[in-house]
Amino acid sequence: DSGVTQTPKHLITATGQRVTLRCSPRSGDLSVYWYQQSLDQGLQFLIQYYNGEERAKGNILERFSAQQFPDLHSELNLSSLELGDSALYFCASSVDSYSYEQYFGPGTRLTVT
Amino acid sequence: AQKITQTQPGMFVQEKEAVTLDCTYDTSDQSYGLFWYKQPSSGEMIFLIYQGSYDEQNATEGRYSLNFQKARKSANLVISASQLGDSAMYFCAMSRSGAGSYQLTFGKGTKLSVIP
Repeated sequence: DSGVTQTPKHLITATGQRVTLRCSPRSGDLSVYWYQQSLDQGLQFLIQYYNGEERAKGNILERFSAQQFPDLHSELNLSSLELGDSALYFCASSVDSYSYEQYFGPGTRLTVT
Repeated sequence: AQKITQTQPGMFVQEKEAVTLDCTYDTSDQSYGLFWYKQPSSGEMIFLIYQGSYDEQNATEGRYSLNFQKARKSANLVISASQLGDSAMYFCAMSRSGAGSYQLTFGKGTKLSVIP
């Protein structure tokens, strides 16, 4: 157990809908990374937050957004969902933005029908 | 831009034997980090080993070692004395170092199957 929690574990929704994925980092970790793992694109970095502020942005679609709250949990919002958004979404946390070690959560499996 | 290439989609190894999983990378950065992660069928991502670009010695963690050849831009993972529990997907990844973000760029992975 990495200490990172993600909810829900599974999510099934229809095209055009909006969902929110939640991540609670390990206690004391300030940095949260979001990754998407799909059959087409493999594992790719979406976005990073550090202590409530956006630190780095990757291949994140405009339909997706994220934020990190004062209690350091993070949410990834996916809207206008398409079939191709079906994927496993991971969050990972690290102590700070200069620590290479990232602890991955168990992931949220999103299925868009 | 950073790129990771894993050329072996699948590998088989006999239990108790050693196996090498290949990884080559491309980057114009001088300072970077190289990682290996394991993903069992249950789906979680497990950190195995890290090598910094300025580290002179190859990283080792228990049965895992990273064979780092900077001039060849390769970072192969060596697993010694394979166990049945080593059957999983293995991902090589890299990141920039010291830029305030260790966002990871992953390869496509190698599926390792350990045969009893």
